[in-house]
Amino acid sequence: GAVVSQHPSRVICKSGTSVKIECRSLDFQATTMFWYRQFPKQSLMLMATSNEGSKATYEQGVEKDKFLINHASLTLSTLTVTSAHPEDSSFYICSARGRGLRYTQYFGPGTRLTVL
Amino acid sequence: ILNVEQSPQSLHVQEGDSTNFTCSFPSSNFYALHWYRWETAKSPEALFVMTLNGDEKKKGRISATLNTKEGYSYLYIKGSQPEDSATYLCASLTGTASKLTFGTGTRLQVTL
Repeated sequence: GAVVSQHPSRVICKSGTSVKIECRSLDFQATTMFWYRQFPKQSLMLMATSNEGSKATYEQGVEKDKFLINHASLTLSTLTVTSAHPEDSSFYICSARGRGLRYTQYFGPGTRLTVL
Repeated sequence: ILNVEQSPQSLHVQEGDSTNFTCSFPSSNFYALHWYRWETAKSPEALFVMTLNGDEKKKGRISATLNTKEGYSYLYIKGSQPEDSATYLCASLTGTASKLTFGTGTRLQVTL
């Protein structure tokens, strides 16, 4: 149980385009979803936290207009990187936490974004 | 300690060896400590969530201990197998925040 999928696993796009990444909880209702970013040889860094039906809370230094997060249902959250630039190239990974699962976050497999 | 730190950064052991890694975290406002195993191209898998000082948890050949007063946790693997090869991440949860702060991980490679 507690499986989280993430699509796409890898995406290459041109500078200036927008990219949408989907995160789905397959067998539980995710009341909270988290989006992380990892640059090479660095730790996973939280970008934003989203609760179903409400606006995401962004970490300091993360532009909310650039990284649009939607958590419209209890099983789906999306991250859209708008007007992507080469410096946005990174590994993006989501996690989900369900009702009653106070501590444990279940992770997706991540998305490697390369902006040319 | 202000951040979560893990050591060593990488480790290469032979099959059958026992090994351990360290995770250091801020001890103030401690709430919980998570360990994850992350195999390449897969999702990080939750191993343990530890909350109590002195706590010790075990899952098969893997066990972990927790010292919240001094801010460290050890992860032990007994009789390492090639399938244990992965990056082991720890993350701390402080105060009432739901935010996990991750270390950079220990990359373990087990060879025959």
